[in-house]
Amino acid sequence: AQKVTQAQTEISVVEKEDVTLDCVYETRDTTYYLFWYKQPPSGELVFLIRRNSFDEQNEISGRYSWNFQKSTSSFNFTITASQVVDSAVYFCALSGINFGNEKLTFGTGTRLTIIP
Amino acid sequence: DAGVIQSPRHEVTEMGQEVTLRCKPISGHDYLFWYRQTMMRGLELLIYFNNNVPIDDSGMPEDRFSAKMPNASFSTLKIQPSEPRDSAVYFCASKDFSSPLHFGNGTRLTVT
Repeated sequence: AQKVTQAQTEISVVEKEDVTLDCVYETRDTTYYLFWYKQPPSGELVFLIRRNSFDEQNEISGRYSWNFQKSTSSFNFTITASQVVDSAVYFCALSGINFGNEKLTFGTGTRLTIIP
Repeated sequence: DAGVIQSPRHEVTEMGQEVTLRCKPISGHDYLFWYRQTMMRGLELLIYFNNNVPIDDSGMPEDRFSAKMPNASFSTLKIQPSEPRDSAVYFCASKDFSSPLHFGNGTRLTVT
């Protein structure tokens, strides 16, 4: 069975501060994908990133960066110089890669509030 | 591309009524997923299809729920009869073999 844990239910930071959202996962699969999605107040689910379990390189996209560590089963997400528009619920998710194992298992989400 | 299109955006119905939610996946995507989001249970998979065939329906709550995909460009999720505990946001999502999952804007269902 797959499981994703986002221990931080809510986080509030002042604008321009850096913030890290934690994600820990469990899976018996040897190959898998990890994801982050953003759900702004308008309610849609926006894809942010997908990482393959083969690739442990960290990734940076503008103010966003992701740290994947297989040894600790973690896939953490950092926002640098946070902005009010970053306020949203962020979901970490996990899926298998092989046919029949493609469903995404989501964590419970972290509600991030950026205070102006 | 237009993205995943769901209708209606909001649905309010009375307990016992039939509800049908609709989804048009992204053209060319051969996977279609239905998820439900509630405060208590978070985001949970109901069912997913590949090439219009259900692959995993283990998340469908009970016989009151049914999903169909008659062709590559259309899917429905039906609840009959509806109950107040079915109130949730229902998301449809699609992907192809190599792409990540792309979600529609969701249907907010309220059963009174």
